[in-house]
Amino acid sequence: QKEVEQDPGPLSVPEGAIVSLNCTYSNSAFQYFMWYRQYSRKGPELLMYTYSSGNKEDGRFTAQVDKSSKYISLFIRDSQPSDSATYLCAMRDTGGFKTIFGAGTRLFVKA
Amino acid sequence: ETGVTQSPTHLIKTRGQQVTLRCSSQSGHNTVSWYQQALGQGPQFIFQYYREEENGRGNFPPRFSGLQFPNYSSELNVNALELDDSALYLCASSPFQMNTEAFFGQGTRLTVV
Repeated sequence: QKEVEQDPGPLSVPEGAIVSLNCTYSNSAFQYFMWYRQYSRKGPELLMYTYSSGNKEDGRFTAQVDKSSKYISLFIRDSQPSDSATYLCAMRDTGGFKTIFGAGTRLFVKA
Repeated sequence: ETGVTQSPTHLIKTRGQQVTLRCSSQSGHNTVSWYQQALGQGPQFIFQYYREEENGRGNFPPRFSGLQFPNYSSELNVNALELDDSALYLCASSPFQMNTEAFFGQGTRLTVV
């Protein structure tokens, strides 16, 4: 079993929809939770990170962490065609240097 | 665009050969991490360098090695290339050892034939 599981999709939504992206994990030591966006032929770009449990909002993006369920989510409101990309969740523990990534979910937002 | 630059952008090598990939970190960043991203997969952590010392390593064999220079730029060396080494190699720099806020370069696409 992988430490971080993420549905690869693809996920296709119409413009303006609310998108929900999710990851589950097995290592209870994970404390830092990140979301990256990766466009084709580019490196990942950090969208948001959260420490421990709770919610964090940044513009159209909201990240949620539920440590009791070992489940994290990224919500995108008013999705745009420019949001079409692969979204990677990532996480690590407090003392470690090793960041574990999910496989990524491919998102297509149709105009 | 981040200030992290990688070279070359694409590379084709033959099985058994050796390769060196280069990364210039963002100004002010003293930590560099390297990742391997196979097609359709998330990045896998190879190792991290902080102030010229390797201070963390993933599940990669010793034929994957690296260096960090006094200006915090870095190299990834892979010896005895195998077909499965074909992937996108990503470099990420961060201002601290704890690389929560890591900035990635565009990657080097390595193809081993």
